[in-house]
Amino acid sequence: SAVISQKPSRDICQRGTSLTIQCQVDSQVTMMFWYRQQPGQSLTLIATANQGSEATYESGFVIDKFPISRPNLTFSTLTVSNMSPEDSSIYLCSVVTGDGTEAFFGQGTRLTVV
Amino acid sequence: GQNIDQPTEMTATEGAIVQINCTYQTSGFNGLFWYQQHAGEAPTFLSYNVLDGLEEKGRFSSFLSRSKGYSYLLLKVLQMKDSASYLCAVRDSNYQLIWGAGTKLIIKP
Repeated sequence: SAVISQKPSRDICQRGTSLTIQCQVDSQVTMMFWYRQQPGQSLTLIATANQGSEATYESGFVIDKFPISRPNLTFSTLTVSNMSPEDSSIYLCSVVTGDGTEAFFGQGTRLTVV
Repeated sequence: GQNIDQPTEMTATEGAIVQINCTYQTSGFNGLFWYQQHAGEAPTFLSYNVLDGLEEKGRFSSFLSRSKGYSYLLLKVLQMKDSASYLCAVRDSNYQLIWGAGTKLIIKP
């Protein structure tokens, strides 16, 4: 299993500012995933963060808007840059076990942009 | 395109049984997951199916038919705390998880 500590749990931010979300895992994992979940909707994958290489972004998400760091196998950050109210959402980090049979999530960050 | 379908909302009675269906069309298949998500919380893992058949885990069971692109989650002896959203997710050929929109389950006394 894996335990993920995600910070902050929630924040209210001003339009045009940036917020960095952190995820710390209690074990070494190869890939970490960053998701966005709008209220009442499914999870949308933003990017996959690999240690030692640039993150892989999904269609509709770009590095300038969502820069990701992955300095080691237990830690990653996602920054939401130049925020607008449309960025208000829950952001989740996730890892998958080595055998791929289970995925674990951080507690989520509820972001409100005003 | 890739698609996961599950009902938007279901209602059931405490103590009863409910079955939540999930159908999928994905580019490849490398396992199907069911997650429970209470309002305002992160999803928590319930089950994983990669072979056809039924996986039982306490009050929860999950079934998979790969040929039909179909799965269901069966919840027995429903409790009020089971009121939550249930998410179906399929891992595709690129080992990415494709998520359904979730089924909101409402339990009534």
